[in-house]
Amino acid sequence: EAGVAQSPRYKIIEKRQSVAFWCNPISGHATLYWYQQILGQGPKLLIQFQNNGVVDDSQLPKDRFSAERLKGVDSTLKIQPAKLEDSAVYLCASSLFHSYRNTEAFFGQGTRLTVV
Amino acid sequence: AQSVTQPDIHITVSEGASLELRCNYSYGATPYLFWYVQSPGQGLQLLLKYFSGDTLVQGIKGFEAEFKRSQSSFNLRKPSVHWSDAAEYFCAVGPGNSGNTPLVFGKGTRLSVIA
Repeated sequence: EAGVAQSPRYKIIEKRQSVAFWCNPISGHATLYWYQQILGQGPKLLIQFQNNGVVDDSQLPKDRFSAERLKGVDSTLKIQPAKLEDSAVYLCASSLFHSYRNTEAFFGQGTRLTVV
Repeated sequence: AQSVTQPDIHITVSEGASLELRCNYSYGATPYLFWYVQSPGQGLQLLLKYFSGDTLVQGIKGFEAEFKRSQSSFNLRKPSVHWSDAAEYFCAVGPGNSGNTPLVFGKGTRLSVIA
């Protein structure tokens, strides 16, 4: 079974530039998560999709971050414009459905973003 | 609000020695508790989880964890560490219901294994 695919693996941009990350979840997984993991910290949920609808985006900085999941499969996370504090690893995860008890979220390898 | 504390930022153990990674949580109701492992350059992998029932939970790779409600702890243990266990370990807490409240992760404990 193929895992969660993310690209690119690494990205270096200057502040105020834009960047986009792509995630392809495991086939058939209805729930998709984007996490931000700053160095020395645990992952923090940015946004959660159920199919192509947003379930939770309460921690997404909406003035600069946006995400979409067209057709309920692939997802794109965008930052525009980037700030220095956005330097982090962005993890995508997917699960069959949203239930901590009955299913497991599988994580991709992440995209490491460095803003200079 | 729920929170997770992992008191140890970095732990070094000898290969073959036993391991215990500490996790304390704060949550008003019965929590769901998780341990994840993250190897360098990799995403997170679920080691084990606790929802209810037996307070000693067995996971993958020979890990186990014990839920102690009186101490608000969910410590991870392994009787004999292998060099391949070197990684970052994260404890996480989630709501003890079917709600959509996201998991809250601790800051992680980095495990180094020496020969």
